[in-house]
Amino acid sequence: EADIYQTPRYLVIGTGKKITLECSQTMGHDKMYWYQQDPGMELHLIHYSYGVNSTEKGDLSSESTVSRIRTEHFPLTLESARPSHTSQYLCASSEGGLRGRGEQFFGPGTRLTVL
Amino acid sequence: GENVEQHPSTLSVQEGDSAVIKCTYSDSASNYFPWYKQELGKGPQLIIDIRSNVGEKKDQRIAVTLNKTAKHFSLHITETQPEDSAVYFCAARKGSNYQLIWGAGTKLIIKP
Repeated sequence: EADIYQTPRYLVIGTGKKITLECSQTMGHDKMYWYQQDPGMELHLIHYSYGVNSTEKGDLSSESTVSRIRTEHFPLTLESARPSHTSQYLCASSEGGLRGRGEQFFGPGTRLTVL
Repeated sequence: GENVEQHPSTLSVQEGDSAVIKCTYSDSASNYFPWYKQELGKGPQLIIDIRSNVGEKKDQRIAVTLNKTAKHFSLHITETQPEDSAVYFCAARKGSNYQLIWGAGTKLIIKP
């Protein structure tokens, strides 16, 4: 069982609100990722981090921002939510460097609905 | 850049039959090919993977085959069971410092 957690699991908010989706892992992984996914559909990488103070944008353009101040924590923030942000957000982590095979461990996801 | 195509998008098989999902990749430098299973309401989970120096790998009822020349790899599930119903994703990567490039997913339905 992977030790990666996301909160909240479900969030329904109004347009214009600022939100932060939390992601934490206890495996000491260097690499962390945020994916956006409509239910059962393609995974789109929106942000990733290779370590503390490292953040990069992924393939899918996103209005969200991320931070990586601690190894175990990788929160995602939307300054002003819109209905187009309605989706599922999945957080993942993997070991860095040449150790292991780079398996990504996923959290359970946050289902976001913006009204 | 790398592109991974996955087929079919939906696959319905009778319980007990076999299921095959196929992926093709474009970058010949790719050397790592994992398969993930996503059950309803959960994040994807790695079920099997293969590196480019191996042609086939098996783990109980699931197996993955890789054809480097043709740049395609496949997931085989034998004796399918209801708990195999899920969305399956293939991916490819060319090195540990590169991102996984994901296929679009296949919804596998096991009919009782």
